[in-house]
Amino acid sequence: QQPVQSPQAVILREGEDAVINCSSSKALYSVHWYRQKHGEAPVFLMILLKGGEQKGHDKISASFNEKKQQSSLYLTASQLSYSGTYFCGTEMAPSSGSARQLTFGSGTQLTVLP
Amino acid sequence: DTAVSQTPKYLVTQMGNDKSIKCEQNLGHDTMYWYKQDSKKFLKIMFSYNNKELIINETVPNRFSPKSPDKAHLNLHINSLELGDSAVYFCASSRLVGGSSRTGELFFGEGSRLTVL
Repeated sequence: QQPVQSPQAVILREGEDAVINCSSSKALYSVHWYRQKHGEAPVFLMILLKGGEQKGHDKISASFNEKKQQSSLYLTASQLSYSGTYFCGTEMAPSSGSARQLTFGSGTQLTVLP
Repeated sequence: DTAVSQTPKYLVTQMGNDKSIKCEQNLGHDTMYWYKQDSKKFLKIMFSYNNKELIINETVPNRFSPKSPDKAHLNLHINSLELGDSAVYFCASSRLVGGSSRTGELFFGEGSRLTVL
């Protein structure tokens, strides 16, 4: 079951903030966030395992609301290097029969302008 | 030393041909994957495989078959190539997050761009 990401695209000026959302219709076991730059492979940012968990990575952080089956990625004081496509990946519980499969959302294209 | 390596990086072939893409990981991970990324950048899981279990995404045509000679390798073989198979194919690997049954960080290969003419 593919998670739904929003927005599809966002354009920022350096120093501005952005939020990317990811939601699922199924109960989530974990949520991953990745960034992919043009012509490159996706690169891991962080993983969230428990409901309510928040993690940070420099000025990029994320939260996971297990009850709402949602995760959000927060980019604060954006830098030019933040440009790329951001994907959330969701894993469902083993009982769902879909364990060990990370299913990605459709991606959010983030462009940071000087 | 590249963690996850794929060959070839580029592949151009005619419709109807059969081709293979090779993947190797030197991270000691227990699970490997193949993902297809189309022109709209949608990353679709095709297979996940560990020592014990192959999980196939039900939407993947049976012209696609993963072959794993050992734990560190997962190759992708494609029969009777079609125009719609043109995409970038990513191999990835992971291990479980310590103390849990959840999938840890995925390490991706550089991708193999397949063009079917």
